[in-house]
Amino acid sequence: DTAVSQTPKYLVTQMGNDKSIKCEQNLGHDTMYWYKQDSKKFLKIMFSYNNKELIINETVPNRFSPKSPDKAHLNLHINSLELGDSAVYFCASSQGVGTGSDTQYFGPGTRLTVL
Amino acid sequence: AQSVTQLDSQVPVFEEAPVELRCNYSSSVSVYLFWYVQYPNQGLQLLLKYLSGSTLVKGINGFEAEFNKSQTSFHLRKPSVHISDTAEYFCAVSVPYSSASKIIFGSGTRLSIRP
Repeated sequence: DTAVSQTPKYLVTQMGNDKSIKCEQNLGHDTMYWYKQDSKKFLKIMFSYNNKELIINETVPNRFSPKSPDKAHLNLHINSLELGDSAVYFCASSQGVGTGSDTQYFGPGTRLTVL
Repeated sequence: AQSVTQLDSQVPVFEEAPVELRCNYSSSVSVYLFWYVQYPNQGLQLLLKYLSGSTLVKGINGFEAEFNKSQTSFHLRKPSVHISDTAEYFCAVSVPYSSASKIIFGSGTRLSIRP
């Protein structure tokens, strides 16, 4: 029944490692997003895909690479992890009507801790 | 460019008291306005949104918000809060971006309810 799911929920790793976070939605939406929430709870969009096509690519280090194998999945791969990457990463999805009025549905988040 | 200002980072309120969480926005284009709620250790959930029409918008859990164009505000209110309303509340504006919606979030207001 889960609409937007993410795995893993927690991720603890060492600096310099490479890690991936997976996201899946079963809402039939065309558009998916990745957000980063920092320690002060500030939320910022990172990427958005519509039907496997990159739509939004904010100023994010190129160590972050999203991949969308199909419109129901959007994964986030992070190379050479740094301390500053520690945050909660949220996946979201929306219908993608392109008017700005869509509601975005959020996953439960993945808490990444880089040691 | 768009921006959202939530004037209060924390709002402590006694149970059954009324509450108002303030939000002001700035935008050079028409935007849609949202309030999302984040319960502890969870993802974000839509409370309500203003798209057009009546400036008073009713949402879930007894919350409502009023859009004021002249003051560029979208304050959230509840006449009587419960312990279960303890959460982080985010005001946001959304603009169309190709086939996605680009959301700019405020910094959040932590609502803490005292018994």
